[in-house]
Amino acid sequence: DVKVTQSSRYLVKRTGEKVFLECVQDMDHENMFWYRQDPGLGLRLIYFSYDVKMKEKGDIPEGYSVSREKKERFSLILESASTNQTSMYLCASSLSGHAPRDTEAFFGQGTRLTVV
Amino acid sequence: LAKTTQPISMDSYEGQEVNITCSHNNIATNDYITWYQQFPSQGPRFIIQGYKTKVTNEVASLFIPADRKSSTLSLPRVSLSDTAVYYCLVASSGNTPLVFGKGTRLSVIA
Repeated sequence: DVKVTQSSRYLVKRTGEKVFLECVQDMDHENMFWYRQDPGLGLRLIYFSYDVKMKEKGDIPEGYSVSREKKERFSLILESASTNQTSMYLCASSLSGHAPRDTEAFFGQGTRLTVV
Repeated sequence: LAKTTQPISMDSYEGQEVNITCSHNNIATNDYITWYQQFPSQGPRFIIQGYKTKVTNEVASLFIPADRKSSTLSLPRVSLSDTAVYYCLVASSGNTPLVFGKGTRLSVIA
């Protein structure tokens, strides 16, 4: 089974801190994604990466950056955490082939981040 | 990127069939339609995917009309454990982002 692991389930940080959220997948997937989920807003894409050192902005990249130095690891960075970044963060991965099921995304359990 | 529109919420009694419709008017030729299910405090998980006509698996059926501008997820005889948020997604394979919408919150009532 594909496993996507996020480093923390719960995290509490102070305003202004630099925050790192880590995600690791074990199935050699090319694509990796970071989403945030807030009540009533669904899943919103922050960034995605389709290869090592490659990144593309999603719908809400402001206040975030990402790093992908190795294929299996995709990090989300909050440069200076703010209270409006309190949210559930979900990481996902998928293949980038052209078979239909290659669009299937596998998600981690999520990190609930609280910024105080 | 094709955007999708779904009802915000639906209620159903146990044992009923539930149909959730998703509109995707700008779907591209290479796009597949995929549905995900998300339980509280978990990440979404894949339940079914299709390109056209009808697809059925052990969990659900997916109906897609010829113009592919909409799709309907059908859950037969729902139970309380089917209470979840259901997301419709259209995407082509390759290096494309997977953009989810707000989903449909299904509440199954005893």
